[in-house]
Amino acid sequence: KAGVTQTPRYLIKTRGQQVTLSCSPISGHRSVSWYQQTPGQGLQFLFEYFSETQRNKGNFPGRFSGRQFSNSRSEMNVSTLELGDSALYLCASSLGGDGNEQFFGPGTRLTVL
Amino acid sequence: KNEVEQSPQNLTAQEGEFITINCSYSVGISALHWLQQHPGGGIVSLFMLSSGKKKHGRLIATINIQEKHSSLHITASHPRDSAVYICAVGFLYGGATNKLIFGTGTLLAVQP
Repeated sequence: KAGVTQTPRYLIKTRGQQVTLSCSPISGHRSVSWYQQTPGQGLQFLFEYFSETQRNKGNFPGRFSGRQFSNSRSEMNVSTLELGDSALYLCASSLGGDGNEQFFGPGTRLTVL
Repeated sequence: KNEVEQSPQNLTAQEGEFITINCSYSVGISALHWLQQHPGGGIVSLFMLSSGKKKHGRLIATINIQEKHSSLHITASHPRDSAVYICAVGFLYGGATNKLIFGTGTLLAVQP
């Protein structure tokens, strides 16, 4: 069974631009969660999607948004990029029930110049 | 106070040593996860547990729900175990059980 895939793996943008990251979950998984990892803040939860609906949301500004498609693939979007948005963005998929094990993708490394 | 506390932050061991990493959390949880991240690499889920003990190869994870504490043990450590080990918890209340809160990680270096 293929693992969680994320595209692109690396991305360089400039301040003010917007970016869209993609995550394809493991086949059969209906939940996709997104996380941001930075040296200063560590890993932080962004949001979780389940059956095309946002189920949980972390403490991030409205510039961070996401969506999930009917095939469970998910995208996250960051608008008006700031230098502090430079980070490793990870997605994780799970079956979707409470406390299910999450399987992480390799991440997208975003650099904002 | 962080909701998830890990110790130690840094750990250096000699090959073959028995290693313990600790994780404490402050509220009721649905499950606790131990994750591994190699430098520049992605995250791998090692264990998910909500009670008792799990073993996989040289890795053992235990959890004490009453004491809100978990430990990750590595027996017969090897240089390839060098990585950051991260404890993460899914909280029980508020319907947010797939929302993970992470510890700050333990950087382990195993020297040959």
